[in-house]
Amino acid sequence: QVHLVESGGGVVQPGRSLRLSCAASGFSFSSYAMHWVRQGPGEGLEWVAMTWFDGTNAFYADSVKGRFTMSRDNSNNILYLQMNSLRAEDTAVYYCAKDRGGWAGQLDNWGQGTLVAVSS
Amino acid sequence: QSALTQPRSVSGSPGQSVTISCIGTRSDVGGYNYVSWYQQHPGKAPKLIIYDVNLRPSGVPDRFSGSKSGSTASLTISRLQADDEVDYYCSSYAGNYTSVFGTGTRVTVL
Repeated sequence: QVHLVESGGGVVQPGRSLRLSCAASGFSFSSYAMHWVRQGPGEGLEWVAMTWFDGTNAFYADSVKGRFTMSRDNSNNILYLQMNSLRAEDTAVYYCAKDRGGWAGQLDNWGQGTLVAVSS
Repeated sequence: QSALTQPRSVSGSPGQSVTISCIGTRSDVGGYNYVSWYQQHPGKAPKLIIYDVNLRPSGVPDRFSGSKSGSTASLTISRLQADDEVDYYCSSYAGNYTSVFGTGTRVTVL
């Protein structure tokens, strides 16, 4: 049974940094692309980033490019999202999600989410 | 990376069918057969209900079906039930290993 658990959220001031983690279990983590998706309060879903199964490449939404960095530790089955220069508009619940196969962003398992609030 | 366009809400009576549209461009919906649909209950993580335009993951009822014509994808919920009254999002691969979600649709069961 696939299990994804995010952590690391919290309240942070604008301009500061935060690192999210996602612990994965129940599947062959190193075989799947992984994604981060966020949802602002009362808003819709927004795709944030994805990384290949081996972590050699990561790709980002324009809204976070240059500020966020996604990485993974396949030895310990952990996904990361390093968020720098945070802005108020980054306030959201952040979900990690597993790609069902390949890289096309069809997400068959999701974590419960972790809340990031950017506020002074 | 503009969001795909969905109606804000659709409604139907129990037992009827409703269809949610998802309008994109040739750069996303129209260019790839990687359209997926998600159901989201309040305060919960989304759940995949359709992938590859019209395929259902194991356990998803056949009341849910997907289709695509040009740059518009659609989700049809047949035999509408009270617990279908939640939010639905489409998503599409958008090239260069990026994805885009729709604006979301609230289904109301009258």
